[in-house]
Amino acid sequence: GQNIDQPTEMTATEGAIVQINCTYQTSGFNGLFWYQQHAGEAPTFLSYNVLDGLEEKGRFSSFLSRSKGYSYLLLKELQMKDSASYLCAVRDENTGFQKLVFGTGTRLLVSP
Amino acid sequence: DTEVTQTPKHLVMGMTNKKSLKCEQHMGHRAMYWYKQKAKKPPELMFVYSYEKLSINESVPSRFSPECPNSSLLNLHLHALQPEDSALYLCASSQEAPGTGELFFGEGSRLTVL
Repeated sequence: GQNIDQPTEMTATEGAIVQINCTYQTSGFNGLFWYQQHAGEAPTFLSYNVLDGLEEKGRFSSFLSRSKGYSYLLLKELQMKDSASYLCAVRDENTGFQKLVFGTGTRLLVSP
Repeated sequence: DTEVTQTPKHLVMGMTNKKSLKCEQHMGHRAMYWYKQKAKKPPELMFVYSYEKLSINESVPSRFSPECPNSSLLNLHLHALQPEDSALYLCASSQEAPGTGELFFGEGSRLTVL
């Protein structure tokens, strides 16, 4: 099986930088996704990492270290609208391309 | 068109009712999914259809019955549900490999079972 851990909740101030960590254990790693979910809405795709390193996309970046089973999502220049849950999801080649397992999610609260 | 459309947005049903949730996408994706999400929990995979064939059933009770009439449509038939089945039901679609397989989610159908 897969164990995916994220902090339950984080708080940060508008304009600041926040890093949301995700650790995972899987026998056949085949990709890691980050999704954003606002309360009462559907998750939306933020980033995908399958090789080690940093992927940058505007204010959001995602990092992966496969040897450490570790990823983080970095959000810069925080805005109030970034208050949401952030879900880490992992694909395992042993369970197939289509099966994503989601972590418990990190609820981020951005204050003025 | 990058949308996944789900209907209805809200559904209230009794334990003896039969109802259906519907999902539609026109992105040419050949994989479609049903996820169940309880409050403050992550989405849990229920079913996956690949090329209109059921490829994954995560041991879901038979009171949930999926159907994929064609490559753009996905239904979830509900019968004799329990109050604990109340949740947000999310439909998603994705390209098959060798793409990343990122999921495109619909807005969800919020189900309340009385």
